[in-house]
Amino acid sequence: DARVTQTPRHKVTEMGQEVTMRCQPILGHNTVFWYRQTMMQGLELLAYFRNRAPLDDSGMPKDRFSAEMPDATLATLKIQPSEPRDSAVYFCASRSGTSYEQYFGPGTRLTVT
Amino acid sequence: QKEVEQDPGPLSVPEGAIVSLNCTYSNSAFQYFMWYRQYSRKGPELLMYTYSSGNKEDGRFTAQVDKSSKYISLFIRDSQPSDSATYLCAPRGVDSSYKLIFGSGTRLLVRP
Repeated sequence: DARVTQTPRHKVTEMGQEVTMRCQPILGHNTVFWYRQTMMQGLELLAYFRNRAPLDDSGMPKDRFSAEMPDATLATLKIQPSEPRDSAVYFCASRSGTSYEQYFGPGTRLTVT
Repeated sequence: QKEVEQDPGPLSVPEGAIVSLNCTYSNSAFQYFMWYRQYSRKGPELLMYTYSSGNKEDGRFTAQVDKSSKYISLFIRDSQPSDSATYLCAPRGVDSSYKLIFGSGTRLLVRP
């Protein structure tokens, strides 16, 4: 049963700390998306990669957020320094080629105090 | 104005009711329209999709697209408590990225 995995599932941290979230896409999927979901803004696209190359990170605050894909089985999203307004659920999704379906992971629930 | 607008609800209906969930969008170039379902504290999952205008039926669910009015609907017949979730409409972007443009979601509660 192929699925996207994300770690950690929950993270509570203090303002100013670095946060790293990890995602393992479904094996063979070559496109990976990072989303942020809040009650106010809904589901927002932060960045996405195709064949490990970043194609669009325009949705991401560049001064504190960074996204990488060191290999085909791992995508990371880092926030440094974290702020209370970063509190949200962060989802990773993966897709195969030009398929219409994105498969979402269970999310990382981040709380910054 | 957001590219995709969706009433956040919540929408509360009794079991067995017919539910209508709706979205409007602004980009007339959209061709593919997805509906995702998200249970509480889970990631969204694809429910169904349609291409261009028309209807598509899958069991108790019917997706409808009216491109002339830029209006997307999802109908649920004989709603069940297990249908209680947030429903997100998501047209697919028209550039080569195939990004999904998500609506804010409508929360549905089906009361037993």
